[in-house]
Amino acid sequence: AQSVTQLGSHVSVSEGALVLLRCNYSSSVPPYLFWYVQYPNQGLQLLLKYTSAATLVKGINGFEAEFKKSETSFHLTKPSAHMSDAAEYFCAVSDRGGGSNYKLTFGKGTLLTVNP
Amino acid sequence: KAGVTQTPRYLIKTRGQQVTLSCSPISGHRSVSWYQQTPGQGLQFLFEYFSETQRNKGNFPGRFSGRQFSNSRSEMNVSTLELGDSALYLCASSLDTEQFFGPGTRLTVL
Repeated sequence: AQSVTQLGSHVSVSEGALVLLRCNYSSSVPPYLFWYVQYPNQGLQLLLKYTSAATLVKGINGFEAEFKKSETSFHLTKPSAHMSDAAEYFCAVSDRGGGSNYKLTFGKGTLLTVNP
Repeated sequence: KAGVTQTPRYLIKTRGQQVTLSCSPISGHRSVSWYQQTPGQGLQFLFEYFSETQRNKGNFPGRFSGRQFSNSRSEMNVSTLELGDSALYLCASSLDTEQFFGPGTRLTVL
């Protein structure tokens, strides 16, 4: 069974500082990987996804993530945090193809706070 | 293009009642998935429908059920509500590898 571990339920950074949110996955074969963001009282918005051979994935709002198969990791980074980045971030994994890619397994989430 | 819509946005029920939640996917999307989000368990997959057929199912009791109509709209039903069913229920529609989420229905069971 797949699983996702997000290290750190709460990360706090200063405005302008590097954002690093950690995600490790467990899967028997390379899966599809996703990062979603959730603002209060809203649904999930996709930041970026890994579905192909390109291991460095660029997403919206200046975020990017690198797929490292040897470390089974897919950490999310942003060079400079903005106040508007304060939200909860979820890493998710799914199987590849065959209809099973529509079933996402999520991590527990990381709440990012940005201090002025 | 309109996003995923869910109705109602908020719902209050009492234990033992049943509830039906509705989801309208993005036009052209044939897959609809449902997730439950709670503070304790996080985001958990309930089920996924594709062309009116349940294709994937999570580990939830039979009190949780769903269906999909020919226009891809989907409903989920929870019977005999329990306090632990209080959650945000999210619907997502998909065309390929990406799932687009609606704003959710906040269900409170008293």
